[in-house]
Amino acid sequence: KNEVEQSPQNLTAQEGEFITINCSYSVGISALHWLQQHPGGGIVSLFMLSSGKKKHGRLIATINIQEKHSSLHITASHPRDSAVYICAVPNYGGSQGNLIFGKGTKLSVKP
Amino acid sequence: DAMVIQNPRYQVTQFGKPVTLSCSQTLNHNVMYWYQQKSSQAPKLLFHYYDKDFNNEADTPDNFQSRRPNTSFCFLDIRSPGLGDAAMYLCATSRDLGGTGGRQPQHFGDGTRLSIL
Repeated sequence: KNEVEQSPQNLTAQEGEFITINCSYSVGISALHWLQQHPGGGIVSLFMLSSGKKKHGRLIATINIQEKHSSLHITASHPRDSAVYICAVPNYGGSQGNLIFGKGTKLSVKP
Repeated sequence: DAMVIQNPRYQVTQFGKPVTLSCSQTLNHNVMYWYQQKSSQAPKLLFHYYDKDFNNEADTPDNFQSRRPNTSFCFLDIRSPGLGDAAMYLCATSRDLGGTGGRQPQHFGDGTRLSIL
């Protein structure tokens, strides 16, 4: 079973700061997901990536398959970015899409 | 917009009184998942449907059942809710064309927060 570790668990930043959240996993995967969950709300899929880097607005996700590590970056952070960010990887070697979730990083961006 | 819709957003039930949560999707995805998420914890997969095939996780309590009458709808039935079943229940969908599994993004609903009195 894949083990997913995220760091940090909690992160407080000032508006405008560059933010990095890290994720490492133990077993090779086909793709990794970054998800966002606002307080009391559902989950939004931010990225799914299998190699290299993806960018969407102020969000950038990178993955290093050899090192089994991924990072999520937020540039020019804003209070509306405050949420829990979750890294997830496939279970069962990637079949049927079941995900194993990290425990999440709770981000709070202060104005 | 195509989406995953969960009803209700908030559900209160009494200890031991059966409750049903619903999920519908307009994405025509063939895989539907139910997750349980307790406070400050990661979501935990309860079961999923791959097309009509039901796949139960080994540690999902017998108290939890699911139905998928058609592609669009999936229900979570809790037969005799206990206090420990209070949680956020998340439905998700994905498209799996075979062998691509985890490479397909999962689309989540907003969740149903279940409280037990």
